[in-house]
Amino acid sequence: EVQLVESGGGLVKPGRSLRLSCTASGFTFGDYAMSWFRQAPGKGLEWVGFIRSKAYGGTTEYAASVKGRFTISRDDSKSIAYLQMNSLKTEDTAVYYCTRDPWEDGYMDYWGQGTLVTVSS
Amino acid sequence: DIQMTQSPSTLSASVGDRVTITCRASQSISSWLAWYQQKPGKAPKLLIYKASSLESGVPSRFSGSGSGTEFTLTISSLQPDDFATYYCQQYNSYSGLTFGGGTKVEIK
Repeated sequence: EVQLVESGGGLVKPGRSLRLSCTASGFTFGDYAMSWFRQAPGKGLEWVGFIRSKAYGGTTEYAASVKGRFTISRDDSKSIAYLQMNSLKTEDTAVYYCTRDPWEDGYMDYWGQGTLVTVSS
Repeated sequence: DIQMTQSPSTLSASVGDRVTITCRASQSISSWLAWYQQKPGKAPKLLIYKASSLESGVPSRFSGSGSGTEFTLTISSLQPDDFATYYCQQYNSYSGLTFGGGTKVEIK
């Protein structure tokens, strides 16, 4: 059974950093692109960024709203994807979801349960 | 980025009704469109990909159609488990994935 479990969320002050982890199981993690999405309280879904599999170069892409502040990485030996968030702003407050992209083309077949990040002083 | 516009934003319907949700793209996205269902406090669930392909395990009462800039999600006979919020998402360009604003399907 495919499972994605996010961790690392919590309360953080503006300007600080936080790293989220996504631990995967039930599939060969290294074969898949992984993405992060977020959803502010009561709002819609927003794509944050993704990392391709090593077979596709392991490159990353980011939404304009987080580019230069957020970094996605992966450790295929541990089946974990990371979202490093720096210079956090209050508008980054959201539930963050880790997802699997089955064909590296942009739709997501599995989502984690999400982890809440609250940026507040 | 490509803008996605969903309508209606809220829909009131009864069990057994046929329900249609529309999603329009600001430019052609061919068939690179997915539909997701989200229930309160839960993660989204994939229903449809490539505009009309039904994800494995999803009931056949869900169907998708369209190409270019106009797409629809149809629920042929609404069931109690279907009351949720539905989102369309375009993946024409991976450097800018975008969603529609969502359609909340409520009990009439």
